[in-house]
Amino acid sequence: DVKVTQSSRYLVKRTGEKVFLECVQDMDHENMFWYRQDPGLGLRLIYFSYDVKMKEKGDIPEGYSVSREKKERFSLILESASTNQTSMYLCASHDREYEQYFGPGTRLTVT
Amino acid sequence: GQNIDQPTEMTATEGAIVQINCTYQTSGFNGLFWYQQHAGEAPTFLSYNVLDGLEEKGRFSSFLSRSKGYSYLLLKELQMKDSASYLCAVRDQDFNKFYFGSGTKLNVKP
Repeated sequence: DVKVTQSSRYLVKRTGEKVFLECVQDMDHENMFWYRQDPGLGLRLIYFSYDVKMKEKGDIPEGYSVSREKKERFSLILESASTNQTSMYLCASHDREYEQYFGPGTRLTVT
Repeated sequence: GQNIDQPTEMTATEGAIVQINCTYQTSGFNGLFWYQQHAGEAPTFLSYNVLDGLEEKGRFSSFLSRSKGYSYLLLKELQMKDSASYLCAVRDQDFNKFYFGSGTKLNVKP
């Protein structure tokens, strides 16, 4: 059974804090993605990675960075959290064949 | 650019059939996907079309017309548990990126 896990389901952080969101997949997939999901806006791609240490910006990379030191792990970093980064964050992986597999999501609240 | 449109919300009755439409305009195309997402949960894969025509999987079917930039998801014999959001997504030509619509919230009533 394929599995994508995320480090936290719910997270509350203060403005200006550095935030790390971790994602791990056990399917040996090359591609991994970070999205945020907001009402009425759907899923928007923040960053994706197609190999270890490789990354590409998605549609809304501002205020975020990523790290992929190992194939199975893809981290999203908010360098200085702001209230407009309050959102649901979804990680996904993909093997270049068919669908993406999503993690359960992290609901981040920045106060 | 990428533009994927779906209705925001639909309501249907238990036992009925509902069709959720998706139109897209993308710079590249290598497959169209439908996902189901229950409130507070992650999206789960429903169907995939890369060639024109109808793909059937039990109560769910999906149709694609690449020339028209159009797809629909057909749900038959609706059940209460089908109340969820349905996301249309297009995969780009180099297999690496997916572009999602805003989702259609389906309300199934008794």
